[in-house]
Amino acid sequence: AQSVAQPEDQVNVAEGNPLTVKCTYSVSGNPYLFWYVQYPNRGLQFLLKYITGDNLVKGSYGFEAEFNKSQTSFHLKKPSALVSDSALYFCAVRGNTGFQKLVFGTGTRLLVSP
Amino acid sequence: NAGVTQTPKFQVLKTGQSMTLQCAQDMNHEYMSWYRQDPGMGLRLIHYSVGAGITDQGEVPNGYNVSRSTTEDFPLRLLSAAPSQTSVYFCVTRQGAIGELFFGEGSRLTVL
Repeated sequence: AQSVAQPEDQVNVAEGNPLTVKCTYSVSGNPYLFWYVQYPNRGLQFLLKYITGDNLVKGSYGFEAEFNKSQTSFHLKKPSALVSDSALYFCAVRGNTGFQKLVFGTGTRLLVSP
Repeated sequence: NAGVTQTPKFQVLKTGQSMTLQCAQDMNHEYMSWYRQDPGMGLRLIHYSVGAGITDQGEVPNGYNVSRSTTEDFPLRLLSAAPSQTSVYFCVTRQGAIGELFFGEGSRLTVL
């Protein structure tokens, strides 16, 4: 069965510094990988996805993620953090064989300080 | 274009009561689902549907019922509410087989 690990409950970074939010996964077959962001009292919003192709995926709001098959990781990155990036971030995965359900990680809270 | 609309946004129930969370979408997505979000547990799939007349169970289906009579609507029924069902519920649709998910605003349910 597929699973996702987000090892950090919270990531703290100063505005203007680069940020990384970590995600590792386990899945049967090749993965479909997603990042979502949740602002307070809202539903999740799509940031980016990896389906196939280039390992570096660019998404909304200047975020990008790097797919690393050997390390089974899909870390979310941004070169320069903004205070408005402060939110809860979820990694999600499902396999590409048959009908497999999407599984979410437990979320990482990103706090960007001014 | 409203996207995914959930009602009610807030609800307080007593143990044993029943209720229905409504979900409607105007994007013509075949896939619809219900998730619950609990602190430290991420999002867990309750039930899902790949089209009108077709439903299936997710990870945590016990105590919940769904039906899909139209493409647009996917209500979630709590048959006999329990305190363990206190949570935030999200109705979620998907565009295509590998598309992004679209979330409703959420329904916060408290069971006393």
